[in-house]
Amino acid sequence: GAVVSQHPSRVICKSGTSVKIECRSLDFQATTMFWYRQFPKKSLMLMATSNEGSKATYEQGVEKDKFLINHASLTLSTLTVTSAHPEDSSFYICSARRGSGANVLTFGAGSRLTVL
Amino acid sequence: DQQVKQNSPSLSVQEGRISILNCDYTNSMFDYFLWYKKYPAEGPTFLISISSIKDKNEDGRFTVFLNKSAKHLSLHIVPSQPGDSAVYFCAASSTGNQFYFGTGTSLTVIP
Repeated sequence: GAVVSQHPSRVICKSGTSVKIECRSLDFQATTMFWYRQFPKKSLMLMATSNEGSKATYEQGVEKDKFLINHASLTLSTLTVTSAHPEDSSFYICSARRGSGANVLTFGAGSRLTVL
Repeated sequence: DQQVKQNSPSLSVQEGRISILNCDYTNSMFDYFLWYKKYPAEGPTFLISISSIKDKNEDGRFTVFLNKSAKHLSLHIVPSQPGDSAVYFCAASSTGNQFYFGTGTSLTVIP
């Protein structure tokens, strides 16, 4: 079945530093990947849609200069949290859609970011 | 603005009984709906889906019902098992676009 690997699973960083999270589709090509953020007891909030070879589409209220998304290949998308602050601490989850029009997402295991 | 809502944050059910999880949506353009199951510190896993051309889809113990006029869907789990204890998210999408998730319902199945 479709597998999405997300790395790192946990990261702790100092305020002001940047953190990169990788999302890889292991056994399929993902033309579209999505990045979500989950707050405690809250929904999965869609942050951005990442299409291979083009700029990401950000949801309203998400700072694109702060959350840099790169989808350089059909199997890899990265989310970089730049100049991280404690309020950026959260659980970030990526998902991938196999092919265009596919309506089922496969999720990574998530990355817990803690900014000190 | 939450386009997909799950108004019950938690639900407790006795083992063997039926679990009913509800979800409402506001966007009439949504034409595909999914349910995901999530354990703590893990990514969601796909459970079952339904297209807007149907009003029911069944897969083993899981059945999803869709009421388009009410913009409401529900997930029925019968019989409920302790291993079903998790957070359940409903999600909706319109063809070719993003997927939007509800706030989740934490299901506890009591042995």
